[in-house]
Amino acid sequence: GAVVSQHPSWVICKSGTSVKIECRSLDFQATTMFWYRQFPKQSLMLMATSNEGSKATYEQGVEKDKFLINHASLTLSTLTVTSAHPEDSSFYICSAKGEGVSPYEQYFGPGTRLTVT
Amino acid sequence: DQQVKQNSPSLSVQEGRISILNCDYTNSMFDYFLWYKKYPAEGPTFLISISSIKDKNEDGRFTVFLNKSAKHLSLHIVPSQPGDSAVYFCAARYSGTYKYIFGTGTRLKVLA
Repeated sequence: GAVVSQHPSWVICKSGTSVKIECRSLDFQATTMFWYRQFPKQSLMLMATSNEGSKATYEQGVEKDKFLINHASLTLSTLTVTSAHPEDSSFYICSAKGEGVSPYEQYFGPGTRLTVT
Repeated sequence: DQQVKQNSPSLSVQEGRISILNCDYTNSMFDYFLWYKKYPAEGPTFLISISSIKDKNEDGRFTVFLNKSAKHLSLHIVPSQPGDSAVYFCAARYSGTYKYIFGTGTRLKVLA
């Protein structure tokens, strides 16, 4: 149980375009979802926390107009990287917690590798 | 300001021996700690956790020790197996929130 999927698993886009990444909880209702990014050999950095039906809370230094997060349902959150630039190239990972799963654990998706050329 | 530190970027251990992965933290407001295991191009998977009111938690081959006075936790894997080769992240949770801060990870290689 507690499976989280992400789509796509990798994407290459041109500078200036927008990319949408989906995060789905497959077998539980995710009341809260988290978006992280990871640069090579670095830690997972929390970008934002989203609760279903409300606006996301962004961490300091994360541009909310650039990284649009929508958590429209209890099983789906999306991250849209707008006007992507090469420095946005990274590994983006979502995680989710919800009712019926351990209150302490977050269940992670497999991640999305974004490359901006 | 790295609040959760894993000072050893890599560790190699012989199969069957004990692997000890260390993690230090600076913030006294952390109340829950977790270890995650991560394979390349995959998301982290939960391994084991410990509450700040405990000093040890054991699950099969995995044991986590917490020393609050030293703000230090460690993950012991015994016996180590080649399948344990992965990057291990420790994470600490701010009390009263679901916000976790991750360390930079330690790459464990178990040699057959």
